[in-house]
Amino acid sequence: NAGVTQTPKFQVLKTGQSMTLQCAQDMNHNSMYWYRQDPGMGLRLIYYSASEGTTDKGEVPNGYNVSRLNKREFSLRLESAAPSQTSVYFCASTPLNPGNTIYFGEGSWLTVV
Amino acid sequence: DQQVKQNSPSLSVQEGRISILNCDYTNSMFDYFLWYKKYPAEGPTFLISISSIKDKNEDGRFTVFLNKSAKHLSLHIVPSQPGDSAVYFCAASGDSWGKLQFGAGTQVVVTP
Repeated sequence: NAGVTQTPKFQVLKTGQSMTLQCAQDMNHNSMYWYRQDPGMGLRLIYYSASEGTTDKGEVPNGYNVSRLNKREFSLRLESAAPSQTSVYFCASTPLNPGNTIYFGEGSWLTVV
Repeated sequence: DQQVKQNSPSLSVQEGRISILNCDYTNSMFDYFLWYKKYPAEGPTFLISISSIKDKNEDGRFTVFLNKSAKHLSLHIVPSQPGDSAVYFCAASGDSWGKLQFGAGTQVVVTP
């Protein structure tokens, strides 16, 4: 049972380059999320998708775009990477009903130089 | 504006003793609170949660207490074990399930 799978696990980008972080879940969850974690801070929500076909901004959406490709997959794109986007990125998913556990992927370490 | 705060960045406790982690929040609309545990190079894993209609929830060695009037919750780990050494995040959910507000985390070190 894979749960939430993120790729790549590590990536180094040059300023201005673009890349897409991929996330897939095999638990048939309705909702998916992208968070970022910076040193000394908690996780902050970038974008989320409450259900297939919908996406909404979270707390820190600037510089990012997302695509909910289908129920399983939710990708995060950096169109023009900046050093401020150096962070650890976590994808998460949960069923629709409140109170259910939210499952996180293992994280993607991104460095922008 | 950080709505969930964990004011202790680190906690050192002896094996077998109690670990108490604290968390404060400012948004009275939060109705669900969760604790996550995180090891280095891994994603956060769910530990325990509590609904705002309760003041206590227990699961094995882990107990979460909620004081709504004080906007404060705490996580008790009894007894602490070396495998409990990790970063613990407090999180809160309000208007939309899954849109969590996280605290900055508390690094717990359990010494033999």
